[in-house]
Amino acid sequence: GAGVSQSPRYKVAKRGQDVALRCDPISGHVSLFWYQQALGQGPEFLTYFQNEAQLDKSGLPSDRFFAERPEGSVSTLKIQRTQQEDSAVYLCASTWGQGTGQPQHFGDGTRLSIL
Amino acid sequence: QKEVEQNSGPLSVPEGAIASLNCTYSDRGSQSFFWYRQYSGKSPELIMFIYSNGDKEDGRFTAQLNKASQYVSLLIRDSQPSDSATYLCAVNMGGFNKLIFGTGTRLQVFP
Repeated sequence: GAGVSQSPRYKVAKRGQDVALRCDPISGHVSLFWYQQALGQGPEFLTYFQNEAQLDKSGLPSDRFFAERPEGSVSTLKIQRTQQEDSAVYLCASTWGQGTGQPQHFGDGTRLSIL
Repeated sequence: QKEVEQNSGPLSVPEGAIASLNCTYSDRGSQSFFWYRQYSGKSPELIMFIYSNGDKEDGRFTAQLNKASQYVSLLIRDSQPSDSATYLCAVNMGGFNKLIFGTGTRLQVFP
């Protein structure tokens, strides 16, 4: 596809359940980013991949959050034992190169609601 | 002090006017600056990026950067009701690839 694709678009889970969110970046894009956006706030960085290597995971809020990109293309963000504070929109972005300063293009996001 | 600061608004301007959106950042070493537009319920859409001091124009949009003052702005000329959205300022800080976002400024353009 032409853009970053995320699925599912909406996810409702009960507190304590595990969830998995998928990101399919723009074809050929080397760098992939995950952000979390709470209502009324700007996106906050979670983690960054360059190809299959996770180079920065400083934004992951707890060890319940785990991300992977095993073949350097599709990425999955997994949240274990979900809590209500995990409710947010999870955004994925990609860039073609690996340097700083490249514009990041976002997918439509996954809106996660924890009941 | 927040790393990237924006006035949350709303900023209300009449149709046809110039809308001026402002952003300040804390890291003097920041090199890359981005403006995203976000409609309610949608994801951020890149509209401008700027790396050098001065102005950069693209259609009705002008980004302005002043690194000495740690200030970046976005001007929207001939504002249209369809420009009504939240505008997010984002900065690459400290040589890192991640973006640091402000909380966004909500712009309302009324007919």
